[in-house]
Amino acid sequence: SAVISQKPSRDICQRGTSLTIQCQVDSQVTMMFWYRQQPGQSLTLIATANQGSEATYESGFVIDKFPISRPNLTFSTLTVSNMSPEDSSIYLCSAASGTGDTQYFGPGTRLTVL
Amino acid sequence: KNEVEQSPQNLTAQEGEFITINCSYSVGISALHWLQQHPGGGIVSLFMLSSGKKKHGRLIATINIQEKHSSLHITASHPRDSAVYICADNGHNDMRFGAGTRLTVKP
Repeated sequence: SAVISQKPSRDICQRGTSLTIQCQVDSQVTMMFWYRQQPGQSLTLIATANQGSEATYESGFVIDKFPISRPNLTFSTLTVSNMSPEDSSIYLCSAASGTGDTQYFGPGTRLTVL
Repeated sequence: KNEVEQSPQNLTAQEGEFITINCSYSVGISALHWLQQHPGGGIVSLFMLSSGKKKHGRLIATINIQEKHSSLHITASHPRDSAVYICADNGHNDMRFGAGTRLTVKP
């Protein structure tokens, strides 16, 4: 199993600013993912964080808005850039090893944009 | 396109009742997950299934690969079981999520 922590756990930000969310896994994992859960909605995959290369983004998400880093096998960051109230969501990091059959989730970061 | 559908959307039960939440998916998968999300937003992975049935405490998950259907059962439900339960299919390297079932168990 893997234990995942995220920082910050919550934040309230002003429109137009950026926030970087950190995700730390307690063991080396093959894959790391970033999800968004908008109010009242289910989870949506933003991107797969690739170690040492650019992240793979899902349709509707772009690097300029959600730059992602993954410098090693246990750490990743997601930045929400030039925020607007529509970006108010819970952002979740998850990790998987091997074939990715089992994913472990972080506790989430609750973002409110005013 | 793989659609993951859950039912019911909302469920209210009295403490002690037997709960069933259903999940259907439209294409073949490598594994199906049941997740639990508490009001604070944190998600716990309850089960990962590729066939048959799994049991953990009062929770039971079953899957029928031929029918592309899975169920999550909670026996002797308790107010602390109140949460959103999410079914997710595991594709190659990502997951697709159902809309979730909001369960409220009243004392």
